[in-house]
Amino acid sequence: GNSVTQMEGPVTLSEEAFLTINCTYTATGYPSLFWYVQYPGEGLQLLLKATKADDKGSNKGFEATYRKETTSFHLEKGSVQVSDSAVYFCALIRAGGTSYGKLTFGQGTILTVHP
Amino acid sequence: DGGITQSPKYLFRKEGQNVTLSCEQNLNHDAMYWYRQDPGQGLRLIYYSQIVNDFQKGDIAEGYSVSREKKESFPLTVTSAQKNPTAFYLCASSLSGTSGSETQYFGPGTRLLVL
Repeated sequence: GNSVTQMEGPVTLSEEAFLTINCTYTATGYPSLFWYVQYPGEGLQLLLKATKADDKGSNKGFEATYRKETTSFHLEKGSVQVSDSAVYFCALIRAGGTSYGKLTFGQGTILTVHP
Repeated sequence: DGGITQSPKYLFRKEGQNVTLSCEQNLNHDAMYWYRQDPGQGLRLIYYSQIVNDFQKGDIAEGYSVSREKKESFPLTVTSAQKNPTAFYLCASSLSGTSGSETQYFGPGTRLLVL
């Protein structure tokens, strides 16, 4: 079946540090890949997505590249801010079969950024 | 503004009681979803619906029921058969639920607690 594995957190960084959150996946076919962010007490917001191999998703200084050869979709940001403190979820939607629209999530990575 | 609303924000359930969580969207989306989030875990799919009067079980449907009588509304009932209902419940919607690259938009969530 489909699965998503994220690096374990929590991740604690100082402001302006470089961020990487690793994400690898297992899926049949060619899934679409997503990063969602959840701020405390809120629902999830889409951060970025990529729908085919070698696509790069980007938003608010965050980037992730769809690497089919390594089945990875690592999230990066060059300089984090305190306001980036949140939980980050990697997710996929499998392409094909009867499971259209079903998101499979990783377990989430808590990011805390200190001033 | 278009979006997804969930109510109540907090809900308390007594033993043996059924409770219903509300989810409404004004995005004109055909597909709607219910997810459960437990601490330190990713989201798991409870039920989804791709069209009015039709819905499908997700990965953890036992102890839950849904209805889809209107396009805008997808209420979730947590029945007394659900023995561990304490969790954060998130409703989502997407345009059609039939595309492998579609973005799902999430509501703010309902936190259910057992008294």
